[in-house]
Amino acid sequence: DTEVTQTPKHLVMGMTNKKSLKCEQHMGHRAMYWYKQKAKKPPELMFVYSYEKLSINESVPSRFSPECPNSSLLNLHLHALQPEDSALYLCASSQEIQGPIPTEKLFFGSGTQLSVL
Amino acid sequence: GQNIDQPTEMTATEGAIVQINCTYQTSGFNGLFWYQQHAGEAPTFLSYNVLDGLEEKGRFSSFLSRSKGYSYLLLKELQMKDSASYLCAVMDSNYQLIWGAGTKLIIKP
Repeated sequence: DTEVTQTPKHLVMGMTNKKSLKCEQHMGHRAMYWYKQKAKKPPELMFVYSYEKLSINESVPSRFSPECPNSSLLNLHLHALQPEDSALYLCASSQEIQGPIPTEKLFFGSGTQLSVL
Repeated sequence: GQNIDQPTEMTATEGAIVQINCTYQTSGFNGLFWYQQHAGEAPTFLSYNVLDGLEEKGRFSSFLSRSKGYSYLLLKELQMKDSASYLCAVMDSNYQLIWGAGTKLIIKP
């Protein structure tokens, strides 16, 4: 199994809603990532988990709350989002976050297309 | 600051060859990646270069010159399905990926 599975694929939510994005991988990868990508822009790193611990938080607003329940799962909890948060949210995983030879590529999920009304 | 530059858009003809360039200035270097991304989909890995030279993988090849801070992705025998954005990304000294804005490649019959 070389897949990163994200659910849901599409999500429409109001600014007062609470929703969660889910990500799952069974490749034994120990690093998992959340990226945000606006149309025609490169992915922007939001959070990195290494060995189930948050290792990087790229100054993301608190209305985004990541959670890593175990080594295979990564969630992104959403609350009180703004219309400008509408974007493609990508989960990714890699074998390690660091290493002497960082040859491990990122495996991306198919993403959740989020629209905030 | 850290910077990755690549052309915004390129157009090529089906069956032809196209070269997409990428120049970078980063805090350290731990490898350069090329990803392909179709509209509305996730990026997919194409290649990784950490040493100078050419890496060939089927119709796609990637070249790296660390002294020049330069890479290119070469696509041969272009097919319509190659129409996509191509993202150059450099892993810096902190093992973080710095992404270019991507090059939109348009293939014409």
